[in-house]
Amino acid sequence: DGGITQSPKYLFRKEGQNVTLSCEQNLNHDAMYWYRQDPGQGLRLIYYSQIVNDFQKGDIAEGYSVSREKKESFPLTVTSAQKNPTAFYLCASRNRLSGAKGDQYFGPGTRLLVL
Amino acid sequence: KNQVEQSPQSLIILEGKNCTLQCNYTVSPFSNLRWYKQDTGRGPVSLTIMTFSENTKSNGRYTATLDADTKQSSLHITASQLSDSASYICVVSAKSYNNNDMRFGAGTRLTVKP
Repeated sequence: DGGITQSPKYLFRKEGQNVTLSCEQNLNHDAMYWYRQDPGQGLRLIYYSQIVNDFQKGDIAEGYSVSREKKESFPLTVTSAQKNPTAFYLCASRNRLSGAKGDQYFGPGTRLLVL
Repeated sequence: KNQVEQSPQSLIILEGKNCTLQCNYTVSPFSNLRWYKQDTGRGPVSLTIMTFSENTKSNGRYTATLDADTKQSSLHITASQLSDSASYICVVSAKSYNNNDMRFGAGTRLTVKP
C-alpha cells in the first residue's frame, strides 16, 4: 500500500446521507485519483487531481465530489445523488513528473455499504 | 465494450503448478501495459510494466509478455505458491497529454490450492 492510507476500512451509509472517504499520502506525489471497483468490472475513474486546488472529472463523476486543499489529502464525498454507492473505493497517487511509465500507488481501499 | 479483456475470469490451480493469464486490448494509441496483483480487500500492487518496444518483462516468478501487433499480453506464473492467490489486473494506458488515460481489465481471480 506504500505511503497511502484510506479510512475508514468499512463505511455504512443511510439513505439520503452524504459520506466522506479519506485519502492521505506521504509520497510527495502531485497526482491523486479515486476509483470505484465493482465485482466483475475493471476499476473506473471517478475524479483525479494533478495539483492542489485543481481536479478533473473521470468517467463516472456523477453523485461524487472531491476537494484538493492540500497536496497530501484528496477526500471523496459520496453524495445522496449517487443512487448505487455500494462498492470498493480505491485511492491512488502518482508522481506527475515521472512520465507515462510512472506507477500509480494504491491505498488499501474503503468498502462502502448502504444500510 | 471494455477496451481491456482478460481471460479466464477465474482459475484454480494446485500449488507448484504454472499458469498463464491472458489480456487482449483495443486501447489506442498505445502507451504501456501493466500487470497488477490485488489481494482480496486490498489495493492493487504493480508487478510489471511494458512499453511498445518491450516484449517481455520478469519480476521473480512472474513473467509478462507483450505482442503489440496483435494487442495481446500474457502473465505467466511459475511454480505457484499459496500466496499467489489474488486477482491479477491488466491495465493499458493510452498516450495522453497528462498520462492519465488508463483502462483497467476486470481481472482474473487466481486460487492456488495446496
